[in-house]
Amino acid sequence: SQQGEEDPQALSIQEGENATMNCSYKTSINNLQWYRQNSGRGLVHLILIRSNEREKHSGRLRVTLDTSKKSSSLLITASRAADTASYFCATGNRDDKIIFGKGTRLHILP
Amino acid sequence: ETGVTQTPRHLVMGMTNKKSLKCEQHLGHNAMYWYKQSAKKPLELMFVYSLEERVENNSVPSRFSPECPNSSHLFLHLHTLQPEDSALYLCASSQETRAGSEQFFGPGTRLTVL
Repeated sequence: SQQGEEDPQALSIQEGENATMNCSYKTSINNLQWYRQNSGRGLVHLILIRSNEREKHSGRLRVTLDTSKKSSSLLITASRAADTASYFCATGNRDDKIIFGKGTRLHILP
Repeated sequence: ETGVTQTPRHLVMGMTNKKSLKCEQHLGHNAMYWYKQSAKKPLELMFVYSLEERVENNSVPSRFSPECPNSSHLFLHLHTLQPEDSALYLCASSQETRAGSEQFFGPGTRLTVL
């Protein structure tokens, strides 16, 4: 069953701008991960945030988690052409299952 | 080689063929996974192995048959597939099967069933 659902499905921004993607989920979670996938390749882990955390940073990435709203956001600051990819959230549920969403396709315009 | 490797990278097969996908991880992980990625659908978890033992099978049709001979290798044997089985098949590994364990993915096998 689908858990995380990313929004928007697709996003195009100018290089240098910030990109924000959201993930909403339905049931309680232990943690939430964000992954990046370049076209036709495997996924690469970006960051994990636990249910008792509200915000985490990694380089140009900032992830927030609001368990009351059952949502998470991924912010990429000062975007670069190399950030063009699909971004997926993956929720770790209380029954220890990991479920991926459909992803957001991000396109950075030169 | 480092990380997770998959062969072949591309595969075209007829519905009556038998083929196998191979995955190898060089990370010393204990868990390995097969995922199916189709256009405009969420990533679908197919099988999970922990220390060579299958721990999860998500209602996958029997025309997909996994094999894990050791903790470093994972195979997906394919036979009498359907055109709707065309997809990107991703292998992943992690230190353990817990949902919070970071997964490392291979580049995938792009499968086309004619």
